[in-house]
Amino acid sequence: DIQMTQSPSSLSASVGDRVTITCRASQSIISYLNWYQQKPGKAPKLLIYGASSLQSGVPSRFSGSGSGTDFTLTISSLQPEDFATYYCQQSYSAPFTFGPGTKVDIK
Amino acid sequence: QVQLQESGPGLVKPSETLSLTCNVSGGSIRSNYWSWIRQPPGKGLEWIGYIYYSGSSSGSTNYNPSLKSRVTMSVDTSKNQFSLKLSSVTAADTAVYYCAAYDTSSYNWFDPWGQGTLVTVSS
Repeated sequence: DIQMTQSPSSLSASVGDRVTITCRASQSIISYLNWYQQKPGKAPKLLIYGASSLQSGVPSRFSGSGSGTDFTLTISSLQPEDFATYYCQQSYSAPFTFGPGTKVDIK
Repeated sequence: QVQLQESGPGLVKPSETLSLTCNVSGGSIRSNYWSWIRQPPGKGLEWIGYIYYSGSSSGSTNYNPSLKSRVTMSVDTSKNQFSLKLSSVTAADTAVYYCAAYDTSSYNWFDPWGQGTLVTVSS
């Protein structure tokens, strides 16, 4: 199985901050990397697919980059509705695996 | 726009079989891959498997090896639903279970998701 790690596991930030979350795969997954946002009590929501493509309807302050084993999710200017947990997920090979999540909360 | 909704018992006894159904609206069950994903309370996400309708209710499936011996997925085209059965459950199977569409058009992703349903395994 491909193992996914994320850092940090949590972070505190203020509205307007630039936030970067890192995801690493245990082997190359090319660009088969997706990012999801999950708010408490809700289902995950797709933000980024294919490492850098923004899902329709997702604000442009979200961006993704990377390829191979190292990826990043960036929120350019954190908004109040962005406080949530973020998960990366590899879709390169089954079993599809998720990172452990990064919780973004209010400083 | 496709929407998904899970349904099924919220409480299952240990050693019994967990059974859930996902109703698909706004699209045909025949035209996509469909997946189940679970999340134990306070923990991360685990992919259970996917099914694709290939002409029979048993479909074409791919299960997570960690659960493969206990998982069965099926499709009911008459109801536009797909289902999950997980046998011999234990407390470790307590989780919110989500159904999701698995889009294979390019880089493959899960979207959209159902709202999720909590299943507790307890006597």
